[in-house]
Amino acid sequence: EVQLVESGGGLVQPGGSLRLSCAASGFTFSSYEMNWVRQAPGKGLESVSYISDSGSTLSYADSVKGRFTISRDNAKNSLYLQMNSLRAEDTAVYYCVREFGAILDIWGQGTMVSVSS
Amino acid sequence: QPVLTQPTSLSASPGASARFTCTVRSGITVDTYRIYWYQQRPGSLPRYLLRYKSDSDKHQGSGVPSRFSGSNDASTNAALLLISGLQSEDEADYYCAIWYSSTWVFGGGTKLIVL
Repeated sequence: EVQLVESGGGLVQPGGSLRLSCAASGFTFSSYEMNWVRQAPGKGLESVSYISDSGSTLSYADSVKGRFTISRDNAKNSLYLQMNSLRAEDTAVYYCVREFGAILDIWGQGTMVSVSS
Repeated sequence: QPVLTQPTSLSASPGASARFTCTVRSGITVDTYRIYWYQQRPGSLPRYLLRYKSDSDKHQGSGVPSRFSGSNDASTNAALLLISGLQSEDEADYYCAIWYSSTWVFGGGTKLIVL
């Protein structure tokens, strides 16, 4: 079964850091581009970051540029998102999303990140 | 001005048709980009519906009924999602998306109420 399982979310104070992980299974992880997409409570979808299959190409939303870093370990079938200098507006469910043929086709269940003092 | 703008909500009756608009920012021509549509039912994950750029460049998601279709309105520079024969299960949030400036950009989403 194709599956993405996120972990690492939680409550953190403004200015703090978190590292999200996404464990992939059921498919050849190294062959797929991956994304992090977030959804604030009661709000819409927002793309956070993209990484190519090899990890050589990265991109970020302007709202997180300079604060977040996406990475992957194809040997461990894992995707990561290092989040620094967190702000209240970063509070959201963070989804790990597989991209196939420019289609966001497989979504993890998400991990909740809450930034509050 | 956002890259993609969607109305907040839309209401329609069962069996009727619903027309969702996704207006592309001025300076970006809608028919030069592939526009993707996603459905998110309450409490569920987003699901890919379809992609549309032109009648010769379109794609239907696996298992997505043919009553879901895409088109463009060049006069308003908007991408359209059309759902015919509305069912109660179509009640959901619908998002358009575009790959723009090396990142995915989503519209704000339109909530469809079937009543």
